[in-house]
Amino acid sequence: GAVVSQHPSRVICKSGTSVKIECRSLDFQATTMFWYRQFPKQSLMLMATSNEGSKATYEQGVEKDKFLINHASLTLSTLTVTSAHPEDSSFYICSASQGGGSFEQYFGPGTRLTVT
Amino acid sequence: SQQGEEDPQALSIQEGENATMNCSYKTSINNLQWYRQNSGRGLVHLILIRSNEREKHSGRLRVTLDTSKKSSSLLITASRAADTASYFCATDAIDYKLSFGAGTTVTVRA
Repeated sequence: GAVVSQHPSRVICKSGTSVKIECRSLDFQATTMFWYRQFPKQSLMLMATSNEGSKATYEQGVEKDKFLINHASLTLSTLTVTSAHPEDSSFYICSASQGGGSFEQYFGPGTRLTVT
Repeated sequence: SQQGEEDPQALSIQEGENATMNCSYKTSINNLQWYRQNSGRGLVHLILIRSNEREKHSGRLRVTLDTSKKSSSLLITASRAADTASYFCATDAIDYKLSFGAGTTVTVRA
């Protein structure tokens, strides 16, 4: 149980285009989903927290107009990188939590974004 | 912001040996978790230790927590080639957001 999927696993896009990454909890309802970014050989940095049905909370330094997050249902959150640039190239990982006092986060397999 | 600091940054051991890595953090926590990440993949949850626990075991894994020193250790016993990965500690505080350490890259030589 507690499986989280991400789609796509890899994406290459041209500079200036937008890319949408999906995060799904497959066998549980995720009240809260988290989006992380990881640069090569570095740790995960939390970008934002999204709760189902409400606006995402962004960490300091993360542009909310650049990284659009939608958490429209209890099993799906999306991250859209708008007007992507090469510096947005990174590994994006989502996690999902059942919330309600249960803090364990289940991580997706990640999405490798390359902007050319 | 990142709270956990881990050492060593990298560790190379022979198959069958034990691997120990440490994590230190700065502020009070509710829990501390350890994750494994294989290259280019997502995170696999290994073990969670609560702030009122001092030691926890799971298979070949042993985790200790010393809240007075704000530190934790992860021991992998009888290592295998499949244990080659990066290991991260993560702490959570009041808002349950996870703050990850820099990670320790473990290489197990056959």
